[in-house]
Amino acid sequence: DTGVSQDPRHKITKRGQNVTFRCDPISEHNRLYWYRQTLGQGPEFLTYFQNEAQLEKSRLLSDRFSAERPKGSFSTLEIQRTEQGDSAMYLCASSLASGAEAGYTFGSGTRLTVV
Amino acid sequence: AQSVTQLDSHVSVSEGTPVLLRCNYSSSYSPSLFWYVQHPNKGLQLLLKYTSAATLVKGINGFEAEFKKSETSFHLTKPSAHMSDAAEYFCVAAFAGKSTFGDGTTLTVKP
Repeated sequence: DTGVSQDPRHKITKRGQNVTFRCDPISEHNRLYWYRQTLGQGPEFLTYFQNEAQLEKSRLLSDRFSAERPKGSFSTLEIQRTEQGDSAMYLCASSLASGAEAGYTFGSGTRLTVV
Repeated sequence: AQSVTQLDSHVSVSEGTPVLLRCNYSSSYSPSLFWYVQHPNKGLQLLLKYTSAATLVKGINGFEAEFKKSETSFHLTKPSAHMSDAAEYFCVAAFAGKSTFGDGTTLTVKP
């Protein structure tokens, strides 16, 4: 197991297009988190899963955003009708069931640029 | 509710000199506290964590942090900076499954 993998590393898309990102967590971690990070800011929580259940969604996650973790393993984050304000680094992290208090293992992120 | 304040957005030190990155937290409870490091275009890497055991926590790459409850602080230190330490550092408080990140401190190391 090589840690948390995210794909793609970079995505450039035109405004209005849909994009989908993938995250493969550490296999024995049953919690998976999505964060968004803009320049000069710390990561902001978007949503998290325990196994396949999506347990919490931030108010930052508008109706254009949807996340899934269908089999409790990998997760996808889709953004529909992208806007320039969606340009950011999207980070995925995983942890053991003890959650945030155990600390996260982060992936390298997907950098989205909306032009 | 909890919040994390990193007191310096930028810190610059010379190679071989000590590093101090300051973090204060506010929480109604006793959170777990972490420091993460992020190199350019990379994900965040866990440096160290405090979870109510010893107040002085040793992490990777020679970093350590001291939890001071009376000051609600969790400052990160390293005795001697190395060029490879140049990165963004984030202080994080976690409680009841929620993590709150500070806005980060950019560490520059001059030769």
